[in-house]
Amino acid sequence: DQQVKQNSPSLSVQEGRISILNCDYTNSMFDYFLWYKKYPAEGPTFLISISSIKDKNEDGRFTVFLNKSAKHLSLHIVPSQPGDSAVYFCAASAGGSSNTGKLIFGQGTTLQVKP
Amino acid sequence: ETGVTQTPRHLVMGMTNKKSLKCEQHLGHNAMYWYKQSAKKPLELMFVYNFKEQTENNSVPSRFSPECPNSSHLFLHLHTLQPEDSALYLCASSQGHTQYFGPGTRLTVL
Repeated sequence: DQQVKQNSPSLSVQEGRISILNCDYTNSMFDYFLWYKKYPAEGPTFLISISSIKDKNEDGRFTVFLNKSAKHLSLHIVPSQPGDSAVYFCAASAGGSSNTGKLIFGQGTTLQVKP
Repeated sequence: ETGVTQTPRHLVMGMTNKKSLKCEQHLGHNAMYWYKQSAKKPLELMFVYNFKEQTENNSVPSRFSPECPNSSHLFLHLHTLQPEDSALYLCASSQGHTQYFGPGTRLTVL
C-alpha cells in the first residue's frame, strides 16, 4: 500500500520550458511535503517543501503547489535547465510539530532536460 | 567538514562477512535515519534514532543491527546478508521535518 505515488516514471522537456512533476498521496494525516532531487551516486538533496496550511511555496525557479482536496502536489521548474536532469522524489510527513518527521517517499520521476 | 558523511562509499561483501557502515552528521541535528534504496523502488525507512534512542524499526531483519553512540554518529552493522540486500544505503539527519542525506553506501552482497 503505497501512500505516496509518483505515477510518471520519467519526463522529458526542452531547455527553457516548464517541467511539471506530479505526486499524489492517500493519507489525509500528512501535513508536510517535500521534494528532493537525486543525481546518480549521490544522496537525495532537499529542494523545497510546503506545509499543509499553504497551497503554494516558491523558491527561485522552483514552485510547489498543494491541492489538499485532491491530495495532490506538483513541482514546477521554470525555466528548466540541463543541470536539472535528475531523479525527483516527493515525500510526505505526518509528524506535526515533532522533530522526528518520518518521511514516506514516492518512487521518483526521472527528469531529462534536453539542450 | 559539513553535512552528512558516509563511509565507505562502496562495499562488496560475502554472505558470511561482518561489516559496518558509518554515518556522521555535522549539522547539530537530534534525529538520524537509515534508509535502503533498491533499484526502481522508493526509499525505504529502516531505523530512526532520536536523541540516541531508537524510535522506529521498520520491520528490518535482525541481520541489520543499528548503533547510535551519540547524536552525531550512526552505524549499521551487517552480518550474514543475502544477495537481495544489495542496495544503496542512505543515512539522513534532521532537526524538524526536513531530512538531509549523506551520499550513501553502495552495497553489493555476493
